[in-house]
Amino acid sequence: DAGVIQSPRHEVTEMGQEVTLRCKPISGHDYLFWYRQTMMRGLELLIYFNNNVPIDDSGMPEDRFSAKMPNASFSTLKIQPSEPRDSAVYFCASSQGGSHEQYFGPGTRLTVT
Amino acid sequence: SQQGEEDPQALSIQEGENATMNCSYKTSINNLQWYRQNSGRGLVHLILIRSNEREKHSGRLRVTLDTSKKSSSLLITASRAADTASYFCATPPFNSGGYQKVTFGTGTKLQVIP
Repeated sequence: DAGVIQSPRHEVTEMGQEVTLRCKPISGHDYLFWYRQTMMRGLELLIYFNNNVPIDDSGMPEDRFSAKMPNASFSTLKIQPSEPRDSAVYFCASSQGGSHEQYFGPGTRLTVT
Repeated sequence: SQQGEEDPQALSIQEGENATMNCSYKTSINNLQWYRQNSGRGLVHLILIRSNEREKHSGRLRVTLDTSKKSSSLLITASRAADTASYFCATPPFNSGGYQKVTFGTGTKLQVIP
């Protein structure tokens, strides 16, 4: 298996632009997680899905953030409009079962100027 | 809310020495997991210990769990320069209704000096 795939690996954009991050989980995994990591705040859980359904989005910082999972093999995290404080590394992870080990993607490093 | 916290925040040792890091959490858990993150990479799962287990080994890793103290420790024996990374504990809450929000601690940054 290729593991969790994220794209793009790096994204540089200007403030106010829309940003879309993509994730392909490991086949057969029923949970998908989106995290954000910064030096100041560490690793934060933004939202997670179970069987494509959003279960908890309490970590999504603002209405500018939205996430979708249209099918079991694809999820997106969208930021619109983006702001400099959104600069961070965004990770997608998947697991088989909610309390089991999670498999992380390589992350997307987002820089908003 | 449930949260694991690791200590120390940073640890620097010589190659060949053992490294011990600790994790404390607040409420009942289903299991406790340890992850490693190399600089610029995603987290990698190392080991999972269930709430009814007290000790688990995997290669040079030894994990202990004390549910009465709500704490866990990760021991890396005979450390190598390649072990330089940040280490996180993750604590899925006890399954009391299917709500499985896993929270990660703030991590211990380990530096192994060759």
